Amino acid sequence: GNSVTQMEGPVTLSEEAFLTINCTYTATGYPSLFWYVQYPGEGLQLLLKATKADDKGSNKGFEATYRKETTSFHLEKGSVQVSDSAVYFCALNAGGTSYGKLTFGQGTILTVHP
Amino acid sequence: DAGVIQSPRHEVTEMGQEVTLRCKPISGHNSLFWYRQTMMRGLELLIYFNNNVPIDDSGMPEDRFSAKMPNASFSTLKIQPSEPRDSAVYFCASSFGQPYTFGSGTRLTVV
Repeated sequence: GNSVTQMEGPVTLSEEAFLTINCTYTATGYPSLFWYVQYPGEGLQLLLKATKADDKGSNKGFEATYRKETTSFHLEKGSVQVSDSAVYFCALNAGGTSYGKLTFGQGTILTVHP
Repeated sequence: DAGVIQSPRHEVTEMGQEVTLRCKPISGHNSLFWYRQTMMRGLELLIYFNNNVPIDDSGMPEDRFSAKMPNASFSTLKIQPSEPRDSAVYFCASSFGQPYTFGSGTRLTVV
């Protein structure tokens, strides 16, 4: 079946540090890949996406590249801010007749200190 | 568009009572998903609908849980009777293809 594995958290960084959150997946076919972010007390929001191999999704300084050869979609940001503190979820959509259903990783808590 | 609207935002109820959570998807979206989020289990997909028809309810924990989508603009998730272990944040999401848009969730506390 389809699955997503994220690096264990929580991750604690100082402001302006470099961020990497690892994500690997297992899927048949050619899934689309997503990163969602959840701020405290809110629902999940789409952060970025990539729909085919070697695509790079980017938004708000975050980037992730769809690597089919390593089945990975690692999230990176060059300089984090306190406002980036949130829970980050990696997800995939297997396509086909999945009706848009997403399979989520377990989430990674990020805390950024001033 | 106002996004996916869930109500209530918070619900506190006593064990054994019936609880109904409501969701209004984004107009034009044809898929609707109900998720439960807890610290222990993370984000769990309970059930999803396509064109108002339930497609997969294998994530529904037990018979105490039921979900309906009587039309394209409304869905309910009902728990009867409720138990303390049902305490969680319940999210509704809708989509037309990809990706999802989530509601703000309902925080349910069963005492």
